[in-house]
Amino acid sequence: GENVEQHPSTLSVQEGDSAVIKCTYSDSASNYFPWYKQELGKRPQLIIDIRSNVGEKKDQRIAVTLNKTAKHFSLHITETQPEDSAVYFCAAGGSGGSNYKLTFGKGTLLTVNP
Amino acid sequence: GAVVSQHPSRVICKSGTSVKIECRSLDFQATTMFWYRQFPKQSLMLMATSNEGSKATYEQGVEKDKFLINHASLTLSTLTVTSAHPEDSSFYICSARGFRQLLAKNIQYFGAGTRLSVL
Repeated sequence: GENVEQHPSTLSVQEGDSAVIKCTYSDSASNYFPWYKQELGKRPQLIIDIRSNVGEKKDQRIAVTLNKTAKHFSLHITETQPEDSAVYFCAAGGSGGSNYKLTFGKGTLLTVNP
Repeated sequence: GAVVSQHPSRVICKSGTSVKIECRSLDFQATTMFWYRQFPKQSLMLMATSNEGSKATYEQGVEKDKFLINHASLTLSTLTVTSAHPEDSSFYICSARGFRQLLAKNIQYFGAGTRLSVL
């Protein structure tokens, strides 16, 4: 099955700096890579996703890059703000089959210091 | 975005009792629902996948007789933790994917989770 590794497990940055979280996956059949943000005690919220036919996607301060050859994808947050502090999860999944199952990384606790 | 409602948000029960958790998609039809377990400061571990009208598919190591899943309609899936024990205490969270105009496939929308504490 799919295996997703996520690094770092914790990340502390100063407000205004950039943050980068990296993930690798093992199953070359995976073609859908979402990123979720989970604030303490709340549900995971999808913040951005990328599909394998795209190498990079950007949404305001958030961007995701995908390298299918190397099987890794990254989340980039620019101009970080204290409200960006949360746990971020990457995931990998496929559109094949009927279940669209996602395998999640272990998460990165991002702390943005004012 | 799509809305997924999960109830109860918290439940405390005695060892040996059964607990039912409901997951509802409020504004879309969920062809597939997923049940996850999340330990403190850890990732989302998929327990099972349920498709409406068919039996759930359980992940390796998850006891199907312990965690009963019913996906009886396109908007409701239930997880029943049978004969709960303290080691079953955890945060259980569901997600749903389905179809609605402009609702992209693959995307999983999460419920708010259920904190289960077994005494």
